[in-house]
Amino acid sequence: AAGVIQSPRHLIKEKRETATLKCYPIPRHDTVYWYQQGPGQDPQFLISFYEKMQSDKGSIPDRFSAQQFSDYHSELNMSSLELGDSALYFCASSRGQGGLEAFFGQGTRLTVV
Amino acid sequence: DAKTTQPTSMDCAEGRAANLPCNHSTISGNEYVYWYRQIHSQGPQYIIHGLKNNETNEMASLIITEDRKSSTLILPHATLRDTAVYYCIVSRLRTGTASKLTFGTGTRLQVTL
Repeated sequence: AAGVIQSPRHLIKEKRETATLKCYPIPRHDTVYWYQQGPGQDPQFLISFYEKMQSDKGSIPDRFSAQQFSDYHSELNMSSLELGDSALYFCASSRGQGGLEAFFGQGTRLTVV
Repeated sequence: DAKTTQPTSMDCAEGRAANLPCNHSTISGNEYVYWYRQIHSQGPQYIIHGLKNNETNEMASLIITEDRKSSTLILPHATLRDTAVYYCIVSRLRTGTASKLTFGTGTRLQVTL
């Protein structure tokens, strides 16, 4: 069965650079969630989208932005990267009216050097 | 959304039942109880959810007390592969927008030989 696809799987960037993470949800899923997970931490909610509209914002820095496109894929744009942005970034998708049964991707490991 | 409280860690012998408690004493009538788990550095995985009735699927059973103020996730025959952090999430379903899927501090379950 198709799963949530995240790309790239690994990314190394220097401080002050920009990164773009991509998420391709399961077909017919209309909701996307983004999470950041630092070493030894629980996943922290960043932002969510339903039907291409932003739903909720969590602890997302102003340097980050995200959107959901017409084909439902989503991108998380991160600018002026800091060492503290090094983390695993997970994307999840669900059918918005289907409840909170979300499916997570394998994550993107971002390392800022 | 209601706050949840879980023990920080638990141990379980392989082959025995693992019973993971969750306290959600401020739960509202329209809030569901969801359980996810995260195996080291993988994306969180949906396990089960319920509103007020006990639920069972191929992975686990969910027992919700009659007053709904607490619940227990039961893994009937724990294996080493069940070693993970287990998250109890309480949230209501929203229409026309994404429902909130926020992770707190879960229970680290260690299954041992």
